[in-house]
Amino acid sequence: EPEVTQTPSHQVTQMGQEVILRCVPISNHLYFYWYRQILGQKVEFLVSFYNNEISEKSEIFDDQFSVERPDGSNFTLKIRSTKLEDSAMYFCASSEGALGYGYTFGSGTRLTVV
Amino acid sequence: AQSVAQPEDQVNVAEGNPLTVKCTYSVSGNPYLFWYVQYPNRGLQFLLKYITGDNLVKGSYGFEAEFNKSQTSFHLKKPSALVSDSALYFCAVRDNNAGNMLNFGGGTRLMVKP
Repeated sequence: EPEVTQTPSHQVTQMGQEVILRCVPISNHLYFYWYRQILGQKVEFLVSFYNNEISEKSEIFDDQFSVERPDGSNFTLKIRSTKLEDSAMYFCASSEGALGYGYTFGSGTRLTVV
Repeated sequence: AQSVAQPEDQVNVAEGNPLTVKCTYSVSGNPYLFWYVQYPNRGLQFLLKYITGDNLVKGSYGFEAEFNKSQTSFHLKKPSALVSDSALYFCAVRDNNAGNMLNFGGGTRLMVKP
């Protein structure tokens, strides 16, 4: 069964450093997403990406965040200057279409900012 | 605005007994409803969805859910629980008037005891 692959599975970084979280969506999917889950809290939407541009973003997705699809297969989330409160599990997801399609999620990257 | 409520933090059930995990939602348009399951240290796995049509939706691993428009509910059910069903279950809604993002409930931990 096709999978969404995320690397690394766990990243520890110092506050103020830049991190890049990587994802390889399912190859025939057209919509890509990042969500995050702070420990003990609900899963929150960050951003959706379609046709090489951001289609939606939440209030969480401020100027320190950016996304990119650099080579047609990878989908990355960059956090420019990490804060302690960015510590969370970050999930990448992809879907074949919009609205009525289910997402396939990756296993997540646990980001710990120290 | 769209929202999802999972009123129970935890549901305990004995193996072989039926289980129900509750979910209610609030959307301005027509809802697209989803259930996901999360096993420890894993990503979110898609279980089932309701888009349109029959109110009773059947999904993976013997789970089903019933869409009830008048009660704005989408409870997850299984006739006979297995110990291996123990996991964290998330209900999610997408409002067809509000873009492509999924809004997740807070999650319900299902504990199935032998």
